[in-house]
Amino acid sequence: GDSVTQMEGPVTLSEEAFLTINCTYTATGYPSLFWYVQYPGEGLQLLLKATKADDKGSNKGFEATYRKETTSFHLEKGSVQVSDSAVYFCALSEWGAQKLVFGQGTRLTINP
Amino acid sequence: DVKVTQSSRYLVKRTGEKVFLECVQDMDHENMFWYRQDPGLGLRLIYFSYDVKMKEKGDIPEGYSVSREKKERFSLILESASTNQTSMYLCATKPDYGYTFGSGTRLTVV
Repeated sequence: GDSVTQMEGPVTLSEEAFLTINCTYTATGYPSLFWYVQYPGEGLQLLLKATKADDKGSNKGFEATYRKETTSFHLEKGSVQVSDSAVYFCALSEWGAQKLVFGQGTRLTINP
Repeated sequence: DVKVTQSSRYLVKRTGEKVFLECVQDMDHENMFWYRQDPGLGLRLIYFSYDVKMKEKGDIPEGYSVSREKKERFSLILESASTNQTSMYLCATKPDYGYTFGSGTRLTVV
C-alpha cells in the first residue's frame, strides 16, 4: 500500500539557518503530495502542495518539489524563524482517492 | 474559509465508558474524516464519510464507530473506551482544494 517516510526528528536549528526535512513516498499511482504544519495546540494546516511531477509548491518561504524519479518531496526553507517551530507532516493522496496518507511527522524547534 | 469545529479540546474518560467525539463543519462538504494522531506514527485514518449515512472504514477502525445523520456533523464513537485509545483525534473535511482540519480533541482514558 501507499506510504510516506519522513526524516527522524526532532530537528533543532538556530534562527536564520537553512532547513531541509526529507520526505519520500511509495505509491501505486500518481499521487498529489502535501506538506502540513501543526503549531502547538492547533490542528493541521496545509502548508503547500504539488499535484504532478516537477511541480514546485511554495508558501511562507517554504518550498518543495515533486520528484517522481526519486519519489521525494523534501521541504526546504532558506532562513528559518522562531515562529516556524512546529510539527511538519508530509502526506500523499492518490488520484481519485479520498484519504490522505501521512508520514510520522517531524518536530522542528528553532532557537533564537 | 471553511471552519471545522470539534466540540472538546480535552476529555478524560474511564475505561469502559462510551465516548462521543463531535465534529461540525460550516460548509456543505460531502467528505468528512476522523484521524488519530500518535507520536512517531503520524496520523492514521479511522473512518470517513462521503455523504449522510454513508461511511467507510479507514486503516484502524477497530474499537470505533461513526455516525453521520446530518451533512454538517460527523461523530466518532468509542463503544467501550480502553487505555490504548488515549490519543489526539482530528476531524477533517475535504473541499476541492484540500483538507481542512479541526483543532483536535486530546482524549485520555484512565
